[in-house]
Amino acid sequence: GENVEQHPSTLSVQEGDSAVIKCTYSDSASNYFPWYKQELGKRPQLIIDIRSNVGEKKDQRIAVTLNKTAKHFSLHITETQPEDSAVYFCAANPLGGSYIPTFGRGTSLIVHP
Amino acid sequence: NAGVTQTPKFRILKIGQSMTLQCTQDMNHNYMYWYRQDPGMGLKLIYYSVGAGITDKGEVPNGYNVSRSTTEDFPLRLELAAPSQTSVYFCASSYAIAGVGETQYFGPGTRLLVL
Repeated sequence: GENVEQHPSTLSVQEGDSAVIKCTYSDSASNYFPWYKQELGKRPQLIIDIRSNVGEKKDQRIAVTLNKTAKHFSLHITETQPEDSAVYFCAANPLGGSYIPTFGRGTSLIVHP
Repeated sequence: NAGVTQTPKFRILKIGQSMTLQCTQDMNHNYMYWYRQDPGMGLKLIYYSVGAGITDKGEVPNGYNVSRSTTEDFPLRLELAAPSQTSVYFCASSYAIAGVGETQYFGPGTRLLVL
């Protein structure tokens, strides 16, 4: 089955800095890669996603890049703000089979004012 | 649309008791999922359903049961509660067709404490 590795587990930055979270996956058949943000005590919510036919996608201060050859994808947050502090999860959805996504273990992002 | 709703929000159970966590979605999604999230940890899949009448085990199904009699509802049953089942439980749903995975929408969670 699919295996998703996410790094780092904790990331501490100063307000205004950039933050990068990386995920690798094992199943070359995976074709959909969402990123979820989970604030303390809240539910995970989608912030950005990318499909396998696209190399990069941007939405204001956040962007996701995908390298299918290397089987890795990354979340980039620029000009970080304290409200970006949360746990971020990546996931990989396989093409075929049960289509059940596999999640990374999460990255706790702390943005210091 | 209410999205995905869960009840109750919080519950304390005694060891050996049973309960049902309710989950309802109004987005006509075919896929529904139950996850548990232990403190500071990631999401572990308990059970999932690809449509009414069809359910399958996830990564950590022991001690739980599910049913899916309608598209909208996907209750999770805990039999003989144990302290190891203390966790936050999230229900989620998504719409997947022809091998195209889509975004999961999560409910607000049920916080369960087993004493």
